[in-house]
Amino acid sequence: GENVEQHPSTLSVQEGDSAVIKCTYSDSASNYFPWYKQELGKGPQLIIDIRSNVGEKKDQRIAVTLNKTAKHFSLHITETQPEDSAVYFCAALPGGFKTIFGAGTRLFVKA
Amino acid sequence: SAVISQKPSRDICQRGTSLTIQCQVDSQVTMMFWYRQQPGQSLTLIATANQGSEATYESGFVIDKFPISRPNLTFSTLTVSNMSPEDSSIYLCSVEGAGTGGTDEAFFGQGTRLTVV
Repeated sequence: GENVEQHPSTLSVQEGDSAVIKCTYSDSASNYFPWYKQELGKGPQLIIDIRSNVGEKKDQRIAVTLNKTAKHFSLHITETQPEDSAVYFCAALPGGFKTIFGAGTRLFVKA
Repeated sequence: SAVISQKPSRDICQRGTSLTIQCQVDSQVTMMFWYRQQPGQSLTLIATANQGSEATYESGFVIDKFPISRPNLTFSTLTVSNMSPEDSSIYLCSVEGAGTGGTDEAFFGQGTRLTVV
């Protein structure tokens, strides 16, 4: 079955700097790669996603890249702000249903 | 999109008792999922709640411990039975395929923080 690995587990950046979180997946049948942000006391919420027929997608300060050959995908947050502090999960959907989540990255943005 | 109401949001329970968590969705969805999230950890899938049939459990989770109901396409319950302190965790319900077109995005309830004493 699909396995998603995520690094780093913790990331601390200065406000205004960029943050990059990386994930790898194992199942080449996976075709949907979402990123979720979980704030304290809340359920995860989708912030950006990418499908396997696209290499990059941007939404304001957030971008995701996908390398299908290497089975890598990454989340890039530019101009980080304190409100970006949260836990971020990458995930993969190997066709059909049942999202497979990475272990999570706790991002701290220092003001 | 989908809006999920999950309750209770938190509870403190005595060991040996049971707690039922409810999950209500504002639209009809085929797939509903129950996850456990231990402090500082990722989401572990407990089971997939199927409407009209028994839930499908992941390895390490059994129906006697986590019975699930799915009476219709908008509602599900998860019961944590005969609780022990090891069951202290956050429990989340989730749906996929919500809305017109059946998006792949997963929507989550706000979670139930369970503490067993």
